[in-house]
Amino acid sequence: DQQVKQNSPSLSVQEGRISILNCDYTNSMFDYFLWYKKYPAEGPTFLISISSIKDKNEDGRFTVFLNKSAKHLSLHIVPSQPGDSAVYFCAAVNSGNTPLVFGKGTRLSVIA
Amino acid sequence: GAGVSQTPSNKVTEKGKYVELRCDPISGHTALYWYRQSLGQGPEFLIYFQGTGAADDSGLPNDRFFAVRPEGSVSTLKIQRTERGDSAVYLCASSLEGSGDSPLHFGNGTRLTVT
Repeated sequence: DQQVKQNSPSLSVQEGRISILNCDYTNSMFDYFLWYKKYPAEGPTFLISISSIKDKNEDGRFTVFLNKSAKHLSLHIVPSQPGDSAVYFCAAVNSGNTPLVFGKGTRLSVIA
Repeated sequence: GAGVSQTPSNKVTEKGKYVELRCDPISGHTALYWYRQSLGQGPEFLIYFQGTGAADDSGLPNDRFFAVRPEGSVSTLKIQRTERGDSAVYLCASSLEGSGDSPLHFGNGTRLTVT
């Protein structure tokens, strides 16, 4: 049973437009959520996070939104750039009890 | 500064053989994690160390898998009697603390292929 679900395996967006990556979770004990970005042949790198006490966190072009009642979060990238092309993993954790649980990832392609 | 280093980057072995995968975490990071990523999947948790001790090994699939971190720094993941289903990218990560909201810093992984 997947506790973190990324239902879109891939997404293609025009350069300059907004990219929206979605993630759903089932475990109501999760209280901290993270997005990681992965390029081929490299390990995932931390991108942005959000605590369950917030509903939005912004860092430059990246914004994460959390809807606790719907158990849903999303990552917005605006404007999208070709260098953003990568696989994006959503991850969640109960901060009092590791480990981090990852979704299957969404491959984002930003087309110039 | 130096990130998490994993060696080898690639390992090809025959079914039934023993392999060791090494991880050098970021200096000063007390928490160390091993994950496994199969094709088309996200990283799946294997084991977590806080210092020298395994704080959570619930993700190890069976007793063929074992990991150590004897001095609280370098860790080795050991797989006995390898099977073709063990083929995956094995990722190591470290974090400053072991708390769930301390972001993990991943190495580039070891791609294990069992033939």
